[in-house]
Amino acid sequence: DAGITQSPRYKITETGRQVTLMCHQTWSHSYMFWYRQDLGHGLRLIYYSAAADITDKGEVPDGYVVSRSKTENFPLTLESATRSQTSVYFCASSPRDASTDTQYFGPGTRLTVL
Amino acid sequence: EDQVTQSPEALRLQEGESSSLNCSYTVSGLRGLFWYRQDPGKGPEFLFTLYSAGEEKEKERLKATLTKKESFLHITAPKPEDSATYLCAVQADHPHTGGFKTIFGAGTRLFVKA
Repeated sequence: DAGITQSPRYKITETGRQVTLMCHQTWSHSYMFWYRQDLGHGLRLIYYSAAADITDKGEVPDGYVVSRSKTENFPLTLESATRSQTSVYFCASSPRDASTDTQYFGPGTRLTVL
Repeated sequence: EDQVTQSPEALRLQEGESSSLNCSYTVSGLRGLFWYRQDPGKGPEFLFTLYSAGEEKEKERLKATLTKKESFLHITAPKPEDSATYLCAVQADHPHTGGFKTIFGAGTRLFVKA
């Protein structure tokens, strides 16, 4: 099916472990984004990418790493998970200049760090 | 400091009882204001983009308006299926990178009772 998918949908891990969240889109959108959503904070941008091999920090990048070797994939890695990284993570994509185009969101990954 | 504030936090309406949700913002270099709908356990779904003061957009029972300091999402004769969280987001110039930033409000949870 076309669209934007995230995997896994649910993940439980332990403090200190490395975790990778996957995001895949079939639209060939240039821009991709990673957000976290926490109660009372709304959505906060972690990293974004304007094209393959181009990434930039968002509002809350510490503790996260991203890569984008292919246009359609944008994985987010937590190198050493902490309890404060327990959250719902959303991936999004946007076709062109993200300042004038809407963002299309994936279904989210609920991550629990014990 | 850039800020996006949504009010009320929660709103309970009877079916057919029209009302408005507010999104007030303080940013420099506004590029656009977005409204999204989010159902429980799902990613945000795009509703509207507004770019300049005085602009209005409509979709079914929803109408979004924009001034220099705030945006309203008017809901006319709501139905139970309009129950969701409505998110407002502002895209603005990033002061240091020359790119952009996206700031989300915490959302308004709307409950419409039949």
